[in-house]
Amino acid sequence: EIVLTQSPGTLSLSPGERAILSCRASQSVISSYLAWYQQKPGQAPRLLIYGASSRATGIPDRFSGSGSGTDFTLTISRLEPEDFAVYYCQQYGGSPFTFGPGTKVDIK
Amino acid sequence: QVQLQESGPGLVKPSQTLSLTCTVSGGSISSDSYYWSWIRQPAGKELEWIGRIYTSGSTKYNPSLMSRVTISLDTSKNQFSLKLSSVTAADTAVYYCARGKGSSGYYHFDYWGQGTLVTVSS
Repeated sequence: EIVLTQSPGTLSLSPGERAILSCRASQSVISSYLAWYQQKPGQAPRLLIYGASSRATGIPDRFSGSGSGTDFTLTISRLEPEDFAVYYCQQYGGSPFTFGPGTKVDIK
Repeated sequence: QVQLQESGPGLVKPSQTLSLTCTVSGGSISSDSYYWSWIRQPAGKELEWIGRIYTSGSTKYNPSLMSRVTISLDTSKNQFSLKLSSVTAADTAVYYCARGKGSSGYYHFDYWGQGTLVTVSS
């Protein structure tokens, strides 16, 4: 099973700042089959990025994903008030699919 | 617009079977190649993939739950279902149904239900 580690656990930033979230896999994720999701309290996760760097339909271009192998990054270029949430990475290149523990982005 | 909605009992007794249904609207569950999946999230914890059923009816489960899980498809009702047997308090979680989009067994989750809380308690 591929274990995903996310850092930092919590990121305290102000609106307008850049957020950089990290996701590290215990073994290489084939074909960059890695996705990022945003989750707000009481809501289901929302797909942001798939294939490590492809934005999902309707996702603003301030969200970008990069990386390959075992190291992946989600960058939010300028935080908007609605971006404060928990972000999860998920790998779907190895079975079983696994999720990371999440990074909470909160308002400084 | 595709929508998914979970339904089922919110309270299940220990050792009994948890049964949930996901109703899909805005698209046919059998006409396209998707992986219809169940995912759960215990309070304050990370997401756990439970398993999936493909449009063809083939299934795949998380090995950690495989001995207790059954996922089935009802194309006449545009629904898919989850059964988890011999539940314990550790199975208390919010259960989500989701649509997996991809190919050859590799897929991400592009649509999710709102989630339903299932509590295991006597």
